[in-house]
Amino acid sequence: DTAVSQTPKYLVTQMGNDKSIKCEQNLGHDTMYWYKQDSKKFLKIMFSYNNKELIINETVPNRFSPKSPDKAHLNLHINSLELGDSAVYFCASSQDRGQGANVLTFGAGSRLTVL
Amino acid sequence: AQSVAQPEDQVNVAEGNPLTVKCTYSVSGNPYLFWYVQYPNRGLQFLLKYITGDNLVKGSYGFEAEFNKSQTSFHLKKPSALVSDSALYFCAVRDTDRGSTLGRLYFGRGTQLTVWP
Repeated sequence: DTAVSQTPKYLVTQMGNDKSIKCEQNLGHDTMYWYKQDSKKFLKIMFSYNNKELIINETVPNRFSPKSPDKAHLNLHINSLELGDSAVYFCASSQDRGQGANVLTFGAGSRLTVL
Repeated sequence: AQSVAQPEDQVNVAEGNPLTVKCTYSVSGNPYLFWYVQYPNRGLQFLLKYITGDNLVKGSYGFEAEFNKSQTSFHLKKPSALVSDSALYFCAVRDTDRGSTLGRLYFGRGTQLTVWP
């Protein structure tokens, strides 16, 4: 019944490795997002996709590559992981119209620790 | 440029007392304003929003917020705090200057609310 689900919940890896985080939403929303929350709890948008099209691409290193195979999924792949990538990554989704427009539904987060 | 400020990192209040968590914003057009709450090790949950209409907005768990255009503020309030309200609260504003529903949401830095028994 989970609305926005992310896997894995925890990820511990070495510098230089490549890793992916997956996200799926079963709400029928058209737009999906990746946010990064740093150790001071600051939230920053990274990417946004609408119906599988990239619409927001913030100043994020190109080691980060989002992929949206369909509008219910938005995955995040990170190459050559660095210490500074350690953070909690949140997936979110929203609908474009109606009462719920502009309201984000967040996943539980994926805590990435780079050693 | 759009921005949100939450001037207090921490707010402490006794159970049963009223609480206020402050938020001010800066946008180029009309703002869409939101409050979200984050409990430990969880994702953010939507509390309430202001898009248009009444300046006083009521949301989940007894929270409300007042939109004040002249002061560019959107403070979160609750008449009687509960220990279970202890969490991290985020104010957010949506970029509307392109008239799109797909604008960015800018978050404040968060305010840790602690309600003690």
